[in-house]
Amino acid sequence: GENVEQHPSTLSVQEGDSAVIKCTYSDSASNYFPWYKQELGKRPQLIIDIRSNVGEKKDQRIAVTLNKTAKHFSLHITETQPEDSAVYFCAASIEGNQFYFGTGTSLTVIP
Amino acid sequence: EPEVTQTPSHQVTQMGQEVILRCVPISNHLYFYWYRQILGQKVEFLVSFYNNEISEKSEIFDDQFSVERPDGSNFTLKIRSTKLEDSAMYFCASSDQGGGDTQYFGPGTRLTVL
Repeated sequence: GENVEQHPSTLSVQEGDSAVIKCTYSDSASNYFPWYKQELGKRPQLIIDIRSNVGEKKDQRIAVTLNKTAKHFSLHITETQPEDSAVYFCAASIEGNQFYFGTGTSLTVIP
Repeated sequence: EPEVTQTPSHQVTQMGQEVILRCVPISNHLYFYWYRQILGQKVEFLVSFYNNEISEKSEIFDDQFSVERPDGSNFTLKIRSTKLEDSAMYFCASSDQGGGDTQYFGPGTRLTVL
């Protein structure tokens, strides 16, 4: 099956700086890549997603890039704010219903 | 905005007991999922459900687990004889179209097996 790896596991940035989280996947058939934000004790919430027919997608301070050849995709958060502090999970889906999640990145934005 | 809901928020049970975790998916969604997250680890897929039957399941979803849609709104996960290692947060999710469509997660049920 699919294997998703995520780096780094922890990330600390100063408020206003950018944060980048990277994921790789193993199965070239994967075609849908969502990113979820999970605050402590709360549900994972979708923040952005990208499909394999697109190389980049942006939503205000958040962007995701996808390199199908290299089988990796990245989350970029610009102008970080303290409320961006959370655990971020990437996931991949192969035309099916199962999401394969990465191991998560704990992001801390230091005021 | 409609949300997936789950009850209870926290369930404590003795090893060997049966538990039923309940979910109410978003009302017009047709695809339903259960995931679990052991403390500090990644979210893991358990099972997906569509048209009143299981469409995919993982290795974790063994004979101890079952799912059911008993009525038009609820979606349940039953663990027949709980083990210590079943302690985890269980998330229900639903989506409109399946096949890699966006999945919306519920708030989770924290299951503690003693």
